Amino acid sequence: EAQVTQNPRYLITVTGKKLTVTCSQNMNHEYMSWYRQDPGLGLRQIYYSMNVEVTDKGDVPEGYKVSRKEKRNFPLILESPSPNQTSLYFCASSLGTEGQETQYFGPGTRLLVL
Amino acid sequence: AQSVTQLGSHVSVSEGALVLLRCNYSSSVPPYLFWYVQYPNQGLQLLLKYTSAATLVKGINGFEAEFKKSETSFHLTKPSAHMSDAAEYFCAVTPDYSGTYKYIFGTGTRLKVLA
Repeated sequence: EAQVTQNPRYLITVTGKKLTVTCSQNMNHEYMSWYRQDPGLGLRQIYYSMNVEVTDKGDVPEGYKVSRKEKRNFPLILESPSPNQTSLYFCASSLGTEGQETQYFGPGTRLLVL
Repeated sequence: AQSVTQLGSHVSVSEGALVLLRCNYSSSVPPYLFWYVQYPNQGLQLLLKYTSAATLVKGINGFEAEFKKSETSFHLTKPSAHMSDAAEYFCAVTPDYSGTYKYIFGTGTRLKVLA
């Protein structure tokens, strides 16, 4: 089944404890992206990747890191999480990098930073 | 800068009534425009998209949207609401003002369908 998977789905952590949220797609998609969703703010793009080893900042990259060493994986790293990073996170992928392609979203990761 | 405005964070309609969800965008380059739907506790899925072909775009579940360049709008409509349409709807645009394929999402409209 074609899908975007994220792990974990739920995570409670404490301030400053490094964490990684994994994202994997099995559709051979070029474009991958991370978003955070907050009430009243909609979705905001954190980072995106046009291809392996090519990543760029979205609108809210502060406090996050990403890497794209393999085409299928795009992990999101929080080196030192803070309470303002408590949010619902979505990974998404699309086939091409021309902008008009449909993005396919993962099920989301709900993160609580205490 | 690129932006998307969705008027009305909450919209209520009666079952069988017209659904109209508004989306206005600002863009300095020809845009691609999208409507995504999010059902409770799920990720987003595409309803429809405008990619510079026909200005009237038909999507899944009876939804459609019309791209109006003069009004910088891409409103979502459905002639007759169904209870299963209750969800949150997001409008999105790309590329950003510099031509980079970042995606800008609106703040969302939560649709409630009344029996």
